[in-house]
Amino acid sequence: EAGVTQSPTHLIKTRGQQATLRCSPISGHTSVYWYQQALGLGLQFLLWYDEGEERNRGNFPPRFSGRQFPNYSSELNVNALELEDSALYLCASSGDRGETQYFGPGTRLLVL
Amino acid sequence: QKEVEQNSGPLSVPEGAIASLNCTYSDRGSQSFFWYRQYSGKSPELIMSIYSNGDKEDGRFTAQLNKASQYVSLLIRDSQPSDSATYLCAVTNDYKLSFGAGTTVTVRA
Repeated sequence: EAGVTQSPTHLIKTRGQQATLRCSPISGHTSVYWYQQALGLGLQFLLWYDEGEERNRGNFPPRFSGRQFPNYSSELNVNALELEDSALYLCASSGDRGETQYFGPGTRLLVL
Repeated sequence: QKEVEQNSGPLSVPEGAIASLNCTYSDRGSQSFFWYRQYSGKSPELIMSIYSNGDKEDGRFTAQLNKASQYVSLLIRDSQPSDSATYLCAVTNDYKLSFGAGTTVTVRA
């Protein structure tokens, strides 16, 4: 069974640009979660999508947004990039709300 | 107060020893508890999940949960160099996982 996949693996942008990160959940999973892990810091919850709807968001500004498609894949958009947005962005999926989350390999975003 | 707190590391143990990792959480209503392992530069990998009070064993790993004390721990028996990683405690809170900062374990050969 294929795990969670993310693309791209690495992304380099400059300040003010927009970044789009993509995630495909494990087959059969309907929930997708996004986390940010800045260097040396812990995982910070960003967004949760379930059945195409945004269910919860963490303490991040509105320039962090996303959506979930009918096939349950998801996209994270970060607008007006700032240097401190440089981080590993992790996507996780679960088959049931609140249950075990499985992580993808992540997208490493570097903002110059 | 942080939602999930882990004992500060790094933790260095000799090969073959037991590594003991501790975690406390603030939300008494939390229902699900997880331990993830994260190698440097990689994504977290699930090791154990535990939902009820008591012990749960899986190979060399044992998770312990005490909801009254709001405490969850992970024991790694017969530690191997391949166990050297950062271990993350995670607690489900309102359908989102809250993570501790992690404890870095180094197993000395």
